[in-house]
Amino acid sequence: GESVGLHLPTLSVQEGDNSIINCAYSNSASDYFIWYKQESGKGPQFIIDIRSNMDKRQGQRVTVLLNKTVKHLSLQIAATQPGDSAVYFCAENPSLSNTGKLIFGQGTTLQVKP
Amino acid sequence: KAGVTQTPRYLIKTRGQQVTLSCSPISGHRSVSWYQQTPGQGLQFLFEYFSETQRNKGNFPGRFSGRQFSNSRSEMNVSTLELGDSALYLCASSLEASKFLTSTDTQYFGPGTRLTVL
Repeated sequence: GESVGLHLPTLSVQEGDNSIINCAYSNSASDYFIWYKQESGKGPQFIIDIRSNMDKRQGQRVTVLLNKTVKHLSLQIAATQPGDSAVYFCAENPSLSNTGKLIFGQGTTLQVKP
Repeated sequence: KAGVTQTPRYLIKTRGQQVTLSCSPISGHRSVSWYQQTPGQGLQFLFEYFSETQRNKGNFPGRFSGRQFSNSRSEMNVSTLELGDSALYLCASSLEASKFLTSTDTQYFGPGTRLTVL
């Protein structure tokens, strides 16, 4: 069935270290993937996205990697800061016909230790 | 530009009542999607509106409905509320779904409306 899953529910890192959050998706027809960050009491905040014709995309301190062969997505955060503490969700659009629909993973909680 | 706004931010209702939530998208955005977020089920897609038409719908009962106005503002309605409808309801807007000949483009979320059903 449709599902986007994350490998670890909680990730704890030291401030200044790099963080890697992983995500597996099941729909090989998915053409668009997004990472969101959600802080307590707020809506999901867009971090970075990638389309299926790419395998890597970089933003400010963040990099998303897409491996379509194994249906795996990862978010790398460089020099993690306390302000990065939040729940991170990967999301996919399952098909061309599913306009406006994103399927979300369960989320990984990132804890940054000072 | 102002972000996506949702009103009200908090609501308390009792079983059997109905509720209407409002969403104002980012200026110029024409697509509005709604999601329900609960601790048990996570974020689940409710429906998407574009140019006042519902284009896509998730697996929710008919008690959940919505509409979009000519200025792209959207409302969703839940009738005959049940305890299990307690959730954070999020709306997201995007510039124009299928602009890049793909299924969707970047969705930006509002802060959500926290609905509690007693």
